[in-house]
Amino acid sequence: KAGVTQTPRYLIKTRGQQVTLSCSPISGHRSVSWYQQTPGQGLQFLFEYFSETQRNKGNFPGRFSGRQFSNSRSEMNVSTLELGDSALYLCASSLSRETGELFFGEGSRLTVL
Amino acid sequence: AQSVAQPEDQVNVAEGNPLTVKCTYSVSGNPYLFWYVQYPNRGLQFLLKYITGDNLVKGSYGFEAEFNKSQTSFHLKKPSALVSDSALYFCAVRDDGGATNKLIFGTGTLLAVQP
Repeated sequence: KAGVTQTPRYLIKTRGQQVTLSCSPISGHRSVSWYQQTPGQGLQFLFEYFSETQRNKGNFPGRFSGRQFSNSRSEMNVSTLELGDSALYLCASSLSRETGELFFGEGSRLTVL
Repeated sequence: AQSVAQPEDQVNVAEGNPLTVKCTYSVSGNPYLFWYVQYPNRGLQFLLKYITGDNLVKGSYGFEAEFNKSQTSFHLKKPSALVSDSALYFCAVRDDGGATNKLIFGTGTLLAVQP
């Protein structure tokens, strides 16, 4: 069974640009979550989607947005990039709320110059 | 609010010796606790979880964790460390008692196993 796939793996942007990251969950998983990982702040929850609905949102500015499609694939978008947005963005999928564990992708490493 | 604490930034252990990575938690209600491991430039891999049941939870790669309600701890253990166990370990708690899949992670503990 294929794991969680994130694209692109690496990208470099400049301040003010926007970026879209993609995540394909494990087949059959309907819950997709996004996390930001930085050396200073650690792992922080961005949002969770289930069946195309945002179920929970972390404490991030409105520049961070996401969506989920009918096939459970998800995208997150960051507009007006700032230097502090440089991070590893991790996507995770889960079969259901009850099973608990998340399965993470390899991440998309974003560098903002 | 739910939280977890990992008091050690780094743990050093010799190969073949037992290892312990510490985690304490603070929750309202029943805790849903997890351990994940991260290798350099990789995503997180699930090791084990405690939701209910036996206090000793067995997981992947020979790891286990002991849930202690009175001490609010969920320490990760392995009887005999391998050099390949060297990685960053995260303890996590489900934020809202299970209503969603949002996890609150600890700051991570770097495990270094010397040959």
